[in-house]
Amino acid sequence: NAGVTQTPKFQVLKTGQSMTLQCAQDMNHNSMYWYRQDPGMGLRLIYYSASEGTTDKGEVPNGYNVSRLNKREFSLRLESAAPSQTSVYFCASSGPSGTEAFFGQGTRLTVV
Amino acid sequence: GESVGLHLPTLSVQEGDNSIINCAYSNSASDYFIWYKQESGKGPQFIIDIRSNMDKRQGQRVTVLLNKTVKHLSLQIAATQPGDSAVYFCAERVNRDDKIIFGKGTRLHILP
Repeated sequence: NAGVTQTPKFQVLKTGQSMTLQCAQDMNHNSMYWYRQDPGMGLRLIYYSASEGTTDKGEVPNGYNVSRLNKREFSLRLESAAPSQTSVYFCASSGPSGTEAFFGQGTRLTVV
Repeated sequence: GESVGLHLPTLSVQEGDNSIINCAYSNSASDYFIWYKQESGKGPQFIIDIRSNMDKRQGQRVTVLLNKTVKHLSLQIAATQPGDSAVYFCAERVNRDDKIIFGKGTRLHILP
C-alpha cells in the first residue's frame, strides 16, 4: 500500500521557471491538500480539494495553481517560480474521519 | 524546561518522564483538534484527535486535553521514549470548510 506518493522528491528551479508537483493517493480519499513547510516552521495550507472537481484556497495560495485531475491525483503548479517559494512541499489526503491526514514524503524545492 | 528557539519552541524531557506539549488556538468554530508528530525528514503523522464537545481523550500512551474556555489544547505523552523525539503540531479542522490548519510546532527533545 503506497499511500500518498509525491514526485519529484527534489527539484531546483531558476527564477521564472514553471513546474508541476505531482501527487497521487491510493486510499480512495475524497480530500486532498497541499502544504508548504519552511525551515524550522510549521505547515501552511496552500490549496485543498474536498472532493473530485472542487478546489479551494488555503492560507497562502498566491503564486500557485492546482488541479484535481481525478479522485486519485492532485497537482500543484508554480507558473513563475520565485526564491520565496523555496520550501518543502507536502501533499496529503484524508478519508471519512476528516482529521487523520496521510502525508507524502515531501518535495524539496529550491528556487535560485 | 521550555525555551524558545529561533523558530520552534523546544521542550527537553528526561527519558521515562511524562511530556506535556501545549497549544493555543484561536478559531472557536473548529470542530476537531488534532495532534501530529513529524520526525526529521518525514511528513507529519497523525497521533490523536478530539472533538470540540469533549474535554479529554486517551490513546496509547497519549492523552489530549481540551479547555475551550481558554482555547488551550495539550498533549501528554506518558513515559517518554527516545522514539518520541520529534516536532509536534496541533491542528484544527472546521467541518464546513473541510480543511486542516496547522498551528505552531514544538520540538520535543529527549534527554538520556
